[in-house]
Amino acid sequence: DVKVTQSSRYLVKRTGEKVFLECVQDMDHENMFWYRQDPGLGLRLIYFSYDVKMKEKGDIPEGYSVSREKKERFSLILESASTNQTSMYLCASSRNGRNYGYTFGSGTRLTVV
Amino acid sequence: KNEVEQSPQNLTAQEGEFITINCSYSVGISALHWLQQHPGGGIVSLFMLSSGKKKHGRLIATINIQEKHSSLHITASHPRDSAVYICAVPLNAGGTSYGKLTFGQGTILTVHP
Repeated sequence: DVKVTQSSRYLVKRTGEKVFLECVQDMDHENMFWYRQDPGLGLRLIYFSYDVKMKEKGDIPEGYSVSREKKERFSLILESASTNQTSMYLCASSRNGRNYGYTFGSGTRLTVV
Repeated sequence: KNEVEQSPQNLTAQEGEFITINCSYSVGISALHWLQQHPGGGIVSLFMLSSGKKKHGRLIATINIQEKHSSLHITASHPRDSAVYICAVPLNAGGTSYGKLTFGQGTILTVHP
């Protein structure tokens, strides 16, 4: 069963901590995405990557960075966590071409206190 | 930039009712996604369609490319169908979008027994 796996389901961190959210996909997809989901705002794209070591900013990249050293793994990094980064974070992957094969992870609910 | 509008925002139904959720978008697209998210859960891709109609169990998705409109129907609704339903379309339709999606705000469906 193909899937996107996020390392943590729930996470509580303190303000100022450096936070790593990990995402692994086993479908050999070229593209990987990080979204955050907030009530009333829906899903918003933070960063995406279309190849190893390649990344592009999404709509709300401020306060975040990403790393893609291997094709299957895409990490979201909160350099210095703040309370306004409390949110649900969703990872997704897709392949190139018209039939994207878009697949989401189960999400990580991050609370910054 | 694509704009995706869903209606209704909230929908309450009795078990057994036929349900329709609508999605309209503002520019031409290559495909449209319907996604489902149960309370506290991750996102599951229900359908990706570029024309006509698709059916999976009690779920039916239709799309009219000319009218830029899609509908998700649930026949014989059940309390386990209670979830948020989200439509999404790829950014930069027709170009190289790497599968980046723009999401509707979601429809919160509650089905009472």
